[in-house]
Amino acid sequence: AQSVAQPEDQVNVAEGNPLTVKCTYSVSGNPYLFWYVQYPNRGLQFLLKYITGDNLVKGSYGFEAEFNKSQTSFHLKKPSALVSDSALYFCAVSPLYSSASKIIFGSGTRLSIRP
Amino acid sequence: GAVVSQHPSWVICKSGTSVKIECRSLDFQATTMFWYRQFPKQSLMLMATSNEGSKATYEQGVEKDKFLINHASLTLSTLTVTSAHPEDSSFYICSASFIAGGGNEQFFGPGTRLTVL
Repeated sequence: AQSVAQPEDQVNVAEGNPLTVKCTYSVSGNPYLFWYVQYPNRGLQFLLKYITGDNLVKGSYGFEAEFNKSQTSFHLKKPSALVSDSALYFCAVSPLYSSASKIIFGSGTRLSIRP
Repeated sequence: GAVVSQHPSWVICKSGTSVKIECRSLDFQATTMFWYRQFPKQSLMLMATSNEGSKATYEQGVEKDKFLINHASLTLSTLTVTSAHPEDSSFYICSASFIAGGGNEQFFGPGTRLTVL
């Protein structure tokens, strides 16, 4: 069965410092991985995805994620955090490269950036 | 591009009434739409997947007679919560995808907060 784990409920980082939000996955076959961000009372906004190719994926708002097949991880990173990055972040995996394929979400990690 | 809207953004209703939530893809034709519910401080739980013109596929544990989904056109899907009860209060989010939209990327609506009194 496919699954996604986000081991940290909350991550606290000082503004200007690098941040990492962890994600590990379990999927049979090739994984298609995503990161989404959710602001209060809003839907999800797409940040980035890994389909194939370069293991380092660059996305919106200066975020990037590194696909590590041996560790089955897809951690989200940003070199210098902003207060406005404070939000709820979801890692997700899809087992198929299809517009009809369901996406399985992790439990979410609340990122808090202090000034 | 790839904007998805939901209406209403919030609704309060009495127990026993039915509530309809609309999900529209504004600038693309959505071959597939998904409905999720999200409880406070929890992740999104997929309720059902719907393809235009066909019956929705419900996830295990989701009552199809309780949560009626209609996907009558390539730009509109509706979720009707029938005979709503307080335990149905939740944040409902739809998403839409299309074949040329980057494989399996889903575009999410802003969500609808349902409160059942």
